[in-house]
Amino acid sequence: NAGVTQTPKFQVLKTGQSMTLQCAQDMNHEYMSWYRQDPGMGLRLIHYSVGAGITDQGEVPNGYNVSRSTTEDFPLRLLSAAPSQTSVYFCASSYSDRNTEAFFGQGTRLTVV
Amino acid sequence: KNEVEQSPQNLTAQEGEFITINCSYSVGISALHWLQQHPGGGIVSLFMLSSGKKKHGRLIATINIQEKHSSLHITASHPRDSAVYICAFTSGGGADGLTFGKGTHLIIQP
Repeated sequence: NAGVTQTPKFQVLKTGQSMTLQCAQDMNHEYMSWYRQDPGMGLRLIHYSVGAGITDQGEVPNGYNVSRSTTEDFPLRLLSAAPSQTSVYFCASSYSDRNTEAFFGQGTRLTVV
Repeated sequence: KNEVEQSPQNLTAQEGEFITINCSYSVGISALHWLQQHPGGGIVSLFMLSSGKKKHGRLIATINIQEKHSSLHITASHPRDSAVYICAFTSGGGADGLTFGKGTHLIIQP
């Protein structure tokens, strides 16, 4: 039982490049979400999904796209990387959107130069 | 917006001390979470609670819904407890994920 698997762990991008952060869970969780963690700030919600085919924006969605074609996978796409997107990204999943334990991936440390 | 405030921001203590980390929030919530993050590491859920008190080993979490306040206690603290402890909540309406505090950086010295 792997839990939440997030790849890659580290990535350096040049400004303007695109990439996809992968997130997969094997717990049959309906709710999945992406957060970014910046120094001096709490984690902030980028996008979330309440089930396959359903996604919505969080607090800081600009510059990011998501899709949820299967229950297991919830990739985060950076369309045209900017230095402001330098951050640590976490994927999380839970059985539902409230009152259930959240499981987090190990994080992706992204640097945009 | 500062819907959740944690105190203290930083805490250094000696091994064996009783540790208390506080979390105050300003909105109605459906559940409050305490999370642990080791340096350079992932985030692990410690507790999820919507009322009362929960205990797991040397960790105790309490919540007072009326006062919009929660505490995390660590008894007989150990250097391996050194980590960032994060308070977060899910709100009463909408599937908008967790709202996080900024975390409390705890260092336990041997």
